[in-house]
Amino acid sequence: DAGVTQSPTHLIKTRGQQVTLRCSPISGHKSVSWYQQVLGQGPQFIFQYYEKEERGRGNFPDRFSARQFPNYSSELNVNALLLGDSALYLCASSDGGRAGRELFFGEGSRLTVL
Amino acid sequence: DQQVKQNSPSLSVQEGRISILNCDYTNSMFDYFLWYKKYPAEGPTFLISISSIKDKNEDGRFTVFLNKSAKHLSLHIVPSQPGDSAVYFCAASARGSTLGRLYFGRGTQLTVWP
Repeated sequence: DAGVTQSPTHLIKTRGQQVTLRCSPISGHKSVSWYQQVLGQGPQFIFQYYEKEERGRGNFPDRFSARQFPNYSSELNVNALLLGDSALYLCASSDGGRAGRELFFGEGSRLTVL
Repeated sequence: DQQVKQNSPSLSVQEGRISILNCDYTNSMFDYFLWYKKYPAEGPTFLISISSIKDKNEDGRFTVFLNKSAKHLSLHIVPSQPGDSAVYFCAASARGSTLGRLYFGRGTQLTVWP
């Protein structure tokens, strides 16, 4: 069974540019969450989408946006990139149920902003 | 404001011995706790979880203990194996919060040597 898949795995951008990261959840999972992991820190919550609706947003500026498609895949967009946006961006999926709150993570997209 | 704290950035243990990783939290609304393991260039992998209605959960070599009064949890690995060498993240989920939102600590690098 395929796990959470993310693309691209690595990318380099310059300040001011825009980036789009993509995520496909585990088959059957309707919830997708995005996290940012800066070197030396734990993952920080950015967004959660469930059934194509935003259900939660972390403390990130409006330059960060996301959406979820009918097939439950998701995109994270970051505009006007800053050097501080350099990080590992993780996508996680879950079935959205309360029986277990485990999230299943992809391998991440490593973004470097120069 | 770090609501989940892992105060030991690293831990070194000999193969066969017990590894004890610690985690403290400050938010009284946290009612579900998880441990994730992360290898370099991979996403975090779910390891074990515990609900706040329990004080212990065991899965093979891994046991998590929860002390609600002290707002402290720990992960015990017995016996430790070289393949356990990774970064371990403690995470928490809050009652009433969006299900896809976890609060992570900064991680503890575990090294198991032969």
